[in-house]
Amino acid sequence: GAVVSQHPSRVICKSGTSVKIECRSLDFQATTMFWYRQFPKQSLMLMATSNEGSKATYEQGVEKDKFLINHASLTLSTLTVTSAHPEDSSFYICSAREAGGRARSYEQYFGPGTRLTVT
Amino acid sequence: TQLLEQSPQFLSIQEGENLTVYCNSSSVFSSLQWYRQEPGEGPVLLVTVVTGGEVKKLKRLTFQFGDARKDSSLHITAAQPGDTGLYLCAGPIYTGANNLFFGTGTRLTVIP
Repeated sequence: GAVVSQHPSRVICKSGTSVKIECRSLDFQATTMFWYRQFPKQSLMLMATSNEGSKATYEQGVEKDKFLINHASLTLSTLTVTSAHPEDSSFYICSAREAGGRARSYEQYFGPGTRLTVT
Repeated sequence: TQLLEQSPQFLSIQEGENLTVYCNSSSVFSSLQWYRQEPGEGPVLLVTVVTGGEVKKLKRLTFQFGDARKDSSLHITAAQPGDTGLYLCAGPIYTGANNLFFGTGTRLTVIP
């Protein structure tokens, strides 16, 4: 149980285009989802916290107009990288907290990640 | 300044050797988690420690939470090539926080 999927797993896009990444909780409902970015050989950096039905909370230094987050249902959050540039190339990982239920408040379940390459 | 500093940053050892990875902070954490991440994949939760001084074992992995809840360690005995990966500690930014702050990471390579 507690499986999180991401789609696509890899995407290559041209500079200036937009890319949407989906994060789904497959067997549980997630009131909160998180989006992280990870550069090569580095740790995870939290980009934003996404709450179902409300606006996302962005971390300092993350442009909310560039990284659009929508959490329209309890099982789906999307991250759209708008007008992508090569410096946006990275590994994007989402995680989800289960609504009530079995998980302790601090436990998150991670997706497999999406490798974005902007050419 | 990173909230969670891990050491060493890189570690390359021979199969069968023992190793310890450290996660240190000047801040008190209500809990700490350890993850392992393989290339191209998301982190996988190994353990959560909550109580100061707590020791948890997961097969050949032993996790300890410092008495003051500012640090944690991961000890692997008789390392195997399958242990290769990026080890990350993480903790809630503040007690009751939804989001996690990740440590700087330790990249372990176990050579057959």
